[in-house]
Amino acid sequence: GDSVTQMEGPVTLSEEAFLTINCTYTATGYPSLFWYVQYPGEGLQLLLKATKADDKGSNKGFEATYRKETTSFHLEKGSVQVSDSAVYFCALRTRAGGGNKLTFGTGTQLKVEL
Amino acid sequence: ETGVTQSPTHLIKTRGQQVTLRCSSQSGHNTVSWYQQALGQGPQFIFQYYREEENGRGNFPPRFSGLQFPNYSSELNVNALELDDSALYLCASSLGGTASYEQYFGPGTRLTVT
Repeated sequence: GDSVTQMEGPVTLSEEAFLTINCTYTATGYPSLFWYVQYPGEGLQLLLKATKADDKGSNKGFEATYRKETTSFHLEKGSVQVSDSAVYFCALRTRAGGGNKLTFGTGTQLKVEL
Repeated sequence: ETGVTQSPTHLIKTRGQQVTLRCSSQSGHNTVSWYQQALGQGPQFIFQYYREEENGRGNFPPRFSGLQFPNYSSELNVNALELDDSALYLCASSLGGTASYEQYFGPGTRLTVT
């Protein structure tokens, strides 16, 4: 079945450091790929997405490129801020008996310190 | 434009009891998906409703059931609660059933089963 594997956290960085959170997936067909962010006590917010191979999603300085050959969608940011501290989820979207569902990784907690 | 809302925010139930969680979809959205997020884990797909019909289901037992109403709001019902049902329950709304539109998440309902 479909699955998403993320690097385990927590990831602790100093402000202005470079961020990479690895994500690989297994899926039949050609899924769309997403990164969601969850701040403490809140629901999920869509951070960025890519719908086909070689697409690059970007938002708020974060980027991820859909790599079909390596089945990966790694999240990167050149300079993190304390406000980026949150849990990040990689997800893929597939059809579920006519509808569409999201399959999530286990999440990676990011802590950014001054 | 009103976002996705869920009620209640928190609740505590006893093993064996039944619970109903509610979700109001974002204005104009006709599809609602429910997810269970256990502590420290990624959300798991429970089921999806499109125009009042179930439109996909994950690996959850029949004691998890749902409804969608003509105004596209939705309920998640869980019977015979077990301790492992303790989790954050997330509702997401989107436009379209089989089409791959974005899912927008509510803040969640935190269920504790004792």
